[in-house]
Amino acid sequence: KNEVEQSPQNLTAQEGEFITINCSYSVGISALHWLQQHPGGGIVSLFMLSSGKKKHGRLIATINIQEKHSSLHITASHPRDSAVYICAVSTSGSRLTFGEGTQLTVNP
Amino acid sequence: DTGVSQDPRHKITKRGQNVTFRCDPISEHNRLYWYRQTLGQGPEFLTYFQNEAQLEKSRLLSDRFSAERPKGSFSTLEIQRTEQGDSAMYLCASSLASLFTTYTQYFGPGTRLTVL
Repeated sequence: KNEVEQSPQNLTAQEGEFITINCSYSVGISALHWLQQHPGGGIVSLFMLSSGKKKHGRLIATINIQEKHSSLHITASHPRDSAVYICAVSTSGSRLTFGEGTQLTVNP
Repeated sequence: DTGVSQDPRHKITKRGQNVTFRCDPISEHNRLYWYRQTLGQGPEFLTYFQNEAQLEKSRLLSDRFSAERPKGSFSTLEIQRTEQGDSAMYLCASSLASLFTTYTQYFGPGTRLTVL
């Protein structure tokens, strides 16, 4: 079993829909990260959180430390949100352990 | 541009050849990480440096792989006697570091290696 599990693996939505991507982890962490990867490889950090909830524009990330679970929500989705979203955890402040990613496609 | 840069962006090589990749981190970042990503998978940790010290290496990093960060600035990752299984995207990231604080990692664009 991977230390970081994401669901779903693939997600197709219509423009405007509310999207949720889930992440579960099985180890103690210092922080959880949500990352976005566009075709071509570039990875951008969206959120880093260790408790509660963070919001940036149409993106919201939540974490439940007791349940070892996090969710990434996208409100009013748009085709430009199409990308791979990756959940990762850091332990003792160093390296990241990644989930396999969720391929999101938002159709106009 | 003051982000993380990697060179080359693409490398095609024949099996058995040696390759070297370079990563230039954000200048004030003292931590530098190397990850590897194969198609359809999430990245996997290879190794990381704090300043010039290599603090951790994954067991994925066989003895054909070596990484250096000689002056605590740029880093190189060398793969000797490349194999087809080494074909992947090699990602570099950098961050600040302290004992009790986790910092965001900033990723470079990656080097895509194809071994024929």
